[in-house]
Amino acid sequence: RKEVEQDPGPFNVPEGATVAFNCTYSNSASQSFFWYRQDCRKEPKLLMSVYSSGNEDGRFTAQLNRASQYISLLIRDSKLSDSATYLCVVNRKGGSQGNLIFGKGTKLSVKP
Amino acid sequence: DVKVTQSSRYLVKRTGEKVFLECVQDMDHENMFWYRQDPGLGLRLIYFSYDVKMKEKGDIPEGYSVSREKKERFSLILESASTNQTSMYLCASSLGQLLEKLFFGSGTQLSVL
Repeated sequence: RKEVEQDPGPFNVPEGATVAFNCTYSNSASQSFFWYRQDCRKEPKLLMSVYSSGNEDGRFTAQLNRASQYISLLIRDSKLSDSATYLCVVNRKGGSQGNLIFGKGTKLSVKP
Repeated sequence: DVKVTQSSRYLVKRTGEKVFLECVQDMDHENMFWYRQDPGLGLRLIYFSYDVKMKEKGDIPEGYSVSREKKERFSLILESASTNQTSMYLCASSLGQLLEKLFFGSGTQLSVL
């Protein structure tokens, strides 16, 4: 299994749709998980951290499944402005030390 | 708001040239990173630093070196640029141990001819 794996997409959805992305990771000792968003020709920016209990920020919900080693991102009521590439990020080593591994990203395109 | 500034947005160099990419952050962050981003390959870590004068290799350090003489500045050096180093280079910084939030610069698109 690759360290961090994502479906590259693209996911083409209409405005208002609900869309979900999954990301799998290989290191069972990883403890830090994040979703970053990257707009075309821009730098990545943190969208949200992913906690064991799951967390929600407005239309965005992130979940962690340690047993199956995947994290997910759910976007409800998609907006045109949600069009971007979503990067799954996991820390390589156990605990907070060590560096972050980026998935290759899932491209989302929201259409009118 | 944290600002990570990369010295050039676009850079064109010739094969064999020594290239310096500069990155400065203004929030007293401990950690600084250099990534490159290529289509289909995603972001790959080249080098990172947890402290002044400290550096650690990332996943693809070959052909690169770094310098961190001051806390706010992290330089990436291509000793002898090659065409396969044509890429988008992204500098990032973060505070403390958790590596929770990386702040990225806007990137330098380097073309080596």
